Amino acid sequence: DVKVTQSSRYLVKRTGEKVFLECVQDMDHENMFWYRQDPGLGLRLIYFSYDVKMKEKGDIPEGYSVSREKKERFSLILESASTNQTSMYLCASSFLWDRGPRSRGNPYEQYFGPGTRLTVT
Amino acid sequence: SQELEQSPQSLIVQEGKNLTINCTSSKTLYGLYWYKQKYGEGLIFLMMLQKGGEEKSHEKITAKLDEKKQQSSLHITASQPSHAGIYLCGAEIPNAGGTSYGKLTFGQGTILTVHP
Repeated sequence: DVKVTQSSRYLVKRTGEKVFLECVQDMDHENMFWYRQDPGLGLRLIYFSYDVKMKEKGDIPEGYSVSREKKERFSLILESASTNQTSMYLCASSFLWDRGPRSRGNPYEQYFGPGTRLTVT
Repeated sequence: SQELEQSPQSLIVQEGKNLTINCTSSKTLYGLYWYKQKYGEGLIFLMMLQKGGEEKSHEKITAKLDEKKQQSSLHITASQPSHAGIYLCGAEIPNAGGTSYGKLTFGQGTILTVHP
């Protein structure tokens, strides 16, 4: 069964702290994503990675960095947490879809973790 | 401005009523995904639409993609309290070069409340 796990469901940190959010998937997916979700704004992409050690900025990368040293793990780092980073953080993964006959499921369907609700005080 | 506009932002219905949620893009989409989210949890995949004019159904939920592949609707028939949650549409929108790198752009979400 497909599984994406996130290290914490709830996290409370102080302003200025360095924060690590970990995401692990067991589906051998190439693509991994970090989003934040805020009321009225939907999901906004922070960073994504399509391979080990590869990363690409999403729509709102400022104040964040990421690390992907192993295929199954994608970490989101808040170098110096600020109150405006209080949010729900969601990790997702998907496979690199081959548009040929080999199919591992729906193209680019993203599988989501349960989310981490981060509060920065 | 949002690349993907979802409406309405919230919806309150009486159990047994039908409802529709819309998702619109100004660009042609490669694929359109509907997800449901229970409050405080991750997203659960509902359906994916790829072809213009495509329609898919699962139990009491039907999703359609228009012929131009710019607009999708999610219709729930005879709503139940178990349908309550946040519905999000996500779309594979190609960049100027025609690629998407597997990224999905999401709408703002629709909060659905179903009163028994």
